[in-house]
Amino acid sequence: AIRMTQSPSSLSASTGDRVTITCRASQGISSYLAWYQQKPGKAPKLLIYAASTLQSGVPSRFSGSGSGTDFTLTISCLQSEDFATYYCQQYYSYLLTFGGGTKVEIK
Amino acid sequence: QVQLQESGPGLVKPSQTLSLTCTVSGGSISSGGYYWSWIRQHPGKGLEWIGYIYYSGSTYYNPSLKSRVTISVDTSKNQFSLKLSSVTAADTAVYYCARAPDHNAFDIWGQGTMVTVSS
Repeated sequence: AIRMTQSPSSLSASTGDRVTITCRASQGISSYLAWYQQKPGKAPKLLIYAASTLQSGVPSRFSGSGSGTDFTLTISCLQSEDFATYYCQQYYSYLLTFGGGTKVEIK
Repeated sequence: QVQLQESGPGLVKPSQTLSLTCTVSGGSISSGGYYWSWIRQHPGKGLEWIGYIYYSGSTYYNPSLKSRVTISVDTSKNQFSLKLSSVTAADTAVYYCARAPDHNAFDIWGQGTMVTVSS
């Protein structure tokens, strides 16, 4: 199975901050990577697919980059509604796997 | 728009079979082009993909659960289902159904249903 490793596992930030979360795949996955946001008690919400394509309706302050094994999710100007847990997921392999998550907390 | 809704018992006894159904509304499973998955999340933990089914009935399961999992589809009811046999407390989790376009990310999720395994 392709292992997805996110870092950091948690971070504290203030509204207005620029936040960067990284995701590393244990083998190359081209651009078959998605990012999700999950709030407590809710289902994950797709933010970005194909590593850098913004899902319809997602604010432009979210962006993704990378290919191969190293990927980044950036929130350019953190808003109060962005405090949540973020997951990456690869769909290169038929055995779909997620990263362990990054919890973005209020400083 | 397409919506997914999970249903099934919230409490299952150890060694029994967990059975959940996902009802799809606003779109047809049999129209093709999508893979229909089950994903679970243990309390306070990350996401684990269980398996998927295509409208034709072809399936692919996570090898870690494959011996206990069956996913089936009923196109007449626009539903797909999960059966997980021989459950233990380690199967206690929130179970989500989700849709993914062919070889793509999960774009639509159900709200999730908590299943507790306990006697």
